[in-house]
Amino acid sequence: DIQLTQSPSFLSTSVGDRVTITCRASQDISSSLVWYQQKPGKAPNLLIYGASTLQSGVPSRFSGSGSGAEFTLTITSLQPEDFATYYCQQVYRYPITFGQGTRLEIK
Amino acid sequence: EVQLLESGGGLVQPGGSLRLSCAASGFIFSDSPMAWVRQAPGKGLEWVSDIFGSGARFQYADSVKGRFSISRDNSKNTVSLQMNSLRVEDTAVYYCAKRLMSNNGWPFDYWGQGILVTVS
Repeated sequence: DIQLTQSPSFLSTSVGDRVTITCRASQDISSSLVWYQQKPGKAPNLLIYGASTLQSGVPSRFSGSGSGAEFTLTITSLQPEDFATYYCQQVYRYPITFGQGTRLEIK
Repeated sequence: EVQLLESGGGLVQPGGSLRLSCAASGFIFSDSPMAWVRQAPGKGLEWVSDIFGSGARFQYADSVKGRFSISRDNSKNTVSLQMNSLRVEDTAVYYCAKRLMSNNGWPFDYWGQGILVTVS
């Protein structure tokens, strides 16, 4: 199985900050990496797929990069509604796997 | 507007069975791969199962293989998850999700609101 490791697992940040979350895969997954945002009690929301393609309707302050085994999600100028948990997911090979999540909290 | 509505959750004893259903609308259901993803209380996301649009191909996580069965009825726009031999560790919120067939992997672009399954 392909393991995904996110770092950091927790981040205390402030509105207006720039945040970068890293997702490392245990093997090459090309660009088959997806990012989701999840708020408490809600379903995940698709942010980015294909490592860097922004899902329709997602604000442009979110961006993704990387290929192979190392990927990043960047949020420029954090907004209050961005404080949530973020998950990466690989859809390169079954079984589909998720990272353990990165929780953003307001400092 | 795409909508996915899960039903069938609840409390069941270990070893019991439960059938989850997901009613879909707002897109061409028969063209879309569908999936189930679960989230144990306070934990991360775990992919459970996938089924292709035709229903002829499907995949399962090792943790549920041999116990869970995914199916779909394209005439009723529903996807189901039959869960047998349930274990305490199957306790989770179960999400139905639609997969987007992009050229670079198939992300889960729409999700249901989730339904709680408690095995106790």
